[in-house]
Amino acid sequence: EVQVQESGGGPVKPGGSLRLSCTASGFSFSSSTINWVRQAPGKGLEWVSSISSDGSYIYYADSVKGRFTISRDNAKNSLYLQMNSLRDEDTAIYYCANTGVVYYFDYWGQGTLVTVSS
Amino acid sequence: QSALTQPRSVSGSPGQSVTISCTGTSSDVGGYNYVSWYQQHPGKAPKLMIFDVIERPSGVPDRFSGSKSRNTASLTISGLQVDDEADYFCCSYAGSSAWVFGGGTRLTVL
Repeated sequence: EVQVQESGGGPVKPGGSLRLSCTASGFSFSSSTINWVRQAPGKGLEWVSSISSDGSYIYYADSVKGRFTISRDNAKNSLYLQMNSLRDEDTAIYYCANTGVVYYFDYWGQGTLVTVSS
Repeated sequence: QSALTQPRSVSGSPGQSVTISCTGTSSDVGGYNYVSWYQQHPGKAPKLMIFDVIERPSGVPDRFSGSKSRNTASLTISGLQVDDEADYFCCSYAGSSAWVFGGGTRLTVL
């Protein structure tokens, strides 16, 4: 059974930092491209970042480039998102989602809520 | 990348069919056959319903079907059921390992 679980969300002040984690099991995590996708309250989904299976290819949405850093530890089946210089508009549920070697998001976690507010 | 354009809401009665459109550009929807659709019930994670424009994952009823014409993709749900009431999001690969989603469509089953 596939399981994906995010953690690390919570309240943070503008300009602050937060580190999100995602652990996965039930599929070949170390062979997969993994992504962060976020959803602001009552809004649509927004792709944030992706990292290739070995970590050598990393991409970011323009909205987070230079502020967020994605990384992974395949030995721990874990994905991370270091978020710095947080803004009000970064408030969202952050989902960890697998694209594997395909062009769609097949496995999703339940998400972790990040609230940026003074 | 700008979000793909979806109608904010659609509705239908049980047993009827509805179609949700998703309009992008030649740089995303029109440029790749990598459109996917996701169903999201309140408070839940998105669930993959259609991938590669027309393909259904195992376990998704054949009442759900996808299509594409130039820069517009569509999701059709036939034989509407009460449990189909949810938000639906389209997504397209946009090149350079980037993705773009639609703003979402709320489906109401009357």
